[in-house]
Amino acid sequence: DSGVTQTPKHLITATGQRVTLRCSPRSGDLSVYWYQQSLDQGLQFLIQYYNGEERAKGNILERFSAQQFPDLHSELNLSSLELGDSALYFCASSTGQAHSPLHFGNGTRLTVT
Amino acid sequence: GENVEQHPSTLSVQEGDSAVIKCTYSDSASNYFPWYKQELGKGPQLIIDIRSNVGEKKDQRIAVTLNKTAKHFSLHITETQPEDSAVYFCAASKNSNYQLIWGAGTKLIIKP
Repeated sequence: DSGVTQTPKHLITATGQRVTLRCSPRSGDLSVYWYQQSLDQGLQFLIQYYNGEERAKGNILERFSAQQFPDLHSELNLSSLELGDSALYFCASSTGQAHSPLHFGNGTRLTVT
Repeated sequence: GENVEQHPSTLSVQEGDSAVIKCTYSDSASNYFPWYKQELGKGPQLIIDIRSNVGEKKDQRIAVTLNKTAKHFSLHITETQPEDSAVYFCAASKNSNYQLIWGAGTKLIIKP
């Protein structure tokens, strides 16, 4: 068990809709990362937060947004969903220190129909 | 920008044999190289890492080697077992931003 909790585990929605994915980081970790993994694809980095502030941004679409709250949990909002947004979305957490290991949750599987 | 190439994309080995996965990085400033294992239905998990001041690191049946001159690093798994079947990702980062650049992943299949 990584200590990172993601909810929900599965999400099925229609095109054009908006969803929110939630992540609770491992106790003591200040940094949260969001990744997208499409079928048989690698890990695409979306965004990183550290102690509530955005630290790095990757290939995140403008239709997607995220935030980290004062209690350090994070939410990833996906809007105007398209079929191509169907994927596994992983949250990971770390202390945020140099080269600290990432601890991944088990992901949210999003299916857009 | 930084790029990490990982080969092969799929590797099938007989149980008990060794497996080797290779990664090449482009940024000579990279100094940290972790390997993550992703089992089916789970998120990736760090299994071993190496820093640029070390050429090799071992942990039981797994080892990582680093060749800074050639800018490549490899994961070695000996005496493979069924539970080694998974997708393995390499990554690289440097001190200026600590962002991990990921390889595309290798699906390792252990044949009984």
